Order: sequence, then C-alpha cells, then structure tokens
Amino acid sequence: DAKTTQPNSMESNEEEPVHLPCNHSTISGTDYIHWYRQLPSQGPEYVIHGLTSNVNNRMASLAIAEDRKSSTLILHRATLRDAAVYYCIRPGGTSYGKLTFGQGTILTVHP
Amino acid sequence: EAQVTQNPRYLITVTGKKLTVTCSQNMNHEYMSWYRQDPGLGLRQIYYSMNVEVTDKGDVPEGYKVSRKEKRNFPLILESPSPNQTSLYFCASTRAGRGNEQFFGPGTRLTVL
Repeated sequence: DAKTTQPNSMESNEEEPVHLPCNHSTISGTDYIHWYRQLPSQGPEYVIHGLTSNVNNRMASLAIAEDRKSSTLILHRATLRDAAVYYCIRPGGTSYGKLTFGQGTILTVHP
Repeated sequence: EAQVTQNPRYLITVTGKKLTVTCSQNMNHEYMSWYRQDPGLGLRQIYYSMNVEVTDKGDVPEGYKVSRKEKRNFPLILESPSPNQTSLYFCASTRAGRGNEQFFGPGTRLTVL
C-alpha cells in the first residue's frame, strides 16, 4: 500500500518559512515522492516531486532524507495564498497515473 | 493554455436519472483519472485510463462507468445515481511515465436527491 503519514495541521506566519513533513517508510527504491496542494474550492495542483536528491522549483523545495523514508516540503516564505491542504503522495500500483491521497496537512497562514 | 475542463461544474439531479460528467484535456496526455472527494475521506480514485480503450477500476468504482474512445475525453457515467454519490468530482490527466505531474480539472459538484 502506498501509505504516507503527515501531521493533520500546521500553522505559520506570513513571510516565514514552513516545513511540512511526510513519512513514507515503506517506499521502494524507484518510487517518486509527489506533493500536491488544494486551495479552498479548487482542484488539487501539483507542487513538486522528487526521487532521491533535493529538488527546487518556483513554488517550493523538497528535501528527501538519505534513506528516503521521509521528506519535507519547504515553503521559503509563506503567503496567505499558500493556505491550503498539502498532500504528500507516493504513486501506487503499476499505473503511474494513480495517486492515492491521504488526509494531508491543513496549513494555516496568519497575517 | 494547458488545461483539464469538466462539465457541468454543478449538477443537482434525482435518484435514478442517468447522467454524464464530461472531462477533456488538451495536453495529449495518455493517463486520465476520475476522483471523488468527500469530507473526512479525502480524494479517492474512481476509475483511471492508461490510453484509448484501456480503463481500470480505482478504489471506489461501484456505481460508475467510464469510457475512453478518444485520447482527450474521459467521461464519467452514472447510470442510476443514488444519494451516496453526492460528492465533489475531479478529473485529472498526466503523461505516461514515472514522476509526471497530474493536472486536475476544476471539479464538478454533484447532488443526488
């Protein structure tokens, strides 16, 4: 089962960094880690993904532990628009189009 | 603009009245999926398709049908809707291959009375 574990909720202040953790202890050597987020009243949107090394893009950074059993999504300067549910996902099964969403982490950003 | 579109965005219907929710993507993606989202249960995959004429069940396929006659379209069919299918539905698409991002549609809010 492609299971991940995340905290139910986290809070941050605007313009401060946010570190969102995820445990995926049963990950295999070839599984990517994906992060998506869902803003209120919208569909999920892709944030970032990685395999072994740390990854950066315009939205966030992804730090992957050396043993790959955990990862951390880093928002360098949180804005009010970053308030969303963040999902850490390990695509499951033989079809890579399948994403198994857990409950995610509700991120609240305070002005 | 790369996008996934769904229609209708909102639908209220009655039990047993067949309905179809359309989904279309303009990115030439091979994979397409349907998800439903319910409070406390998160997003769950209903059906997915790996290419034209290739579909398979997701985690909650009961009461739904899909078809993939063209690469860009992946309609979700409820032959005899019931109130427990009241939910928020999302269509998604992605390229074949590992580690590709999925693009989600804006969602269809369905109410079955």
